[in-house]
Amino acid sequence: DVKVTQSSRYLVKRTGEKVFLECVQDMDHENMFWYRQDPGLGLRLIYFSYDVKMKEKGDIPEGYSVSREKKERFSLILESASTNQTSMYLCASSSTVQETQYFGPGTRLLVL
Amino acid sequence: DAKTTQPNSMESNEEEPVHLPCNHSTISGTDYIHWYRQLPSQGPEYVIHGLTSNVNNRMASLAIAEDRKSSTLILHRATLRDAAVYYCILRDNQGGSEKLVFGKGMKLTVNP
Repeated sequence: DVKVTQSSRYLVKRTGEKVFLECVQDMDHENMFWYRQDPGLGLRLIYFSYDVKMKEKGDIPEGYSVSREKKERFSLILESASTNQTSMYLCASSSTVQETQYFGPGTRLLVL
Repeated sequence: DAKTTQPNSMESNEEEPVHLPCNHSTISGTDYIHWYRQLPSQGPEYVIHGLTSNVNNRMASLAIAEDRKSSTLILHRATLRDAAVYYCILRDNQGGSEKLVFGKGMKLTVNP
């Protein structure tokens, strides 16, 4: 079974802090994605990556950056956390051969 | 991205079949129809996908209209574990795009 893990289920940070959200997949997938999910807005794509060291902006990249130094790991970085970044963050991965995206359990981030 | 329209919510009874509709009148010839679902406090999970022909797997069936402007996800025997938000998504298979655009989805309630 494909497994996508996220470093934390719950995280509380203060405004202005630098926040790292880590995602690891164990199926050698080329593609990895970061979404955020907010009530009434559904899932929105922040960034995605087709390969190591490659990244593409999604629909709402402002305030975020990403890092993909190894194929299995995709990190989302909030350079200076703000209260409007309080949200559920979901990581996903997929292969270029199979279309299915596999999601992690999510990290619920609260920025105070 | 072509859009989909789903009811906000539906209710069904346990052990009965349930048909979840999705309209996608602007679908293009290369768009695949994907269904994902999200159980409470979990990340989304893949359910099924298809292009033109009806599809069956262990989780569900997908019935696609002849003109492809609508589709129906069929759960043959709903269980309490099927209570989730269901997302109908169109994915363009051209250009190597791996992005999925999630809408707000449809909440399915299963009554015991």
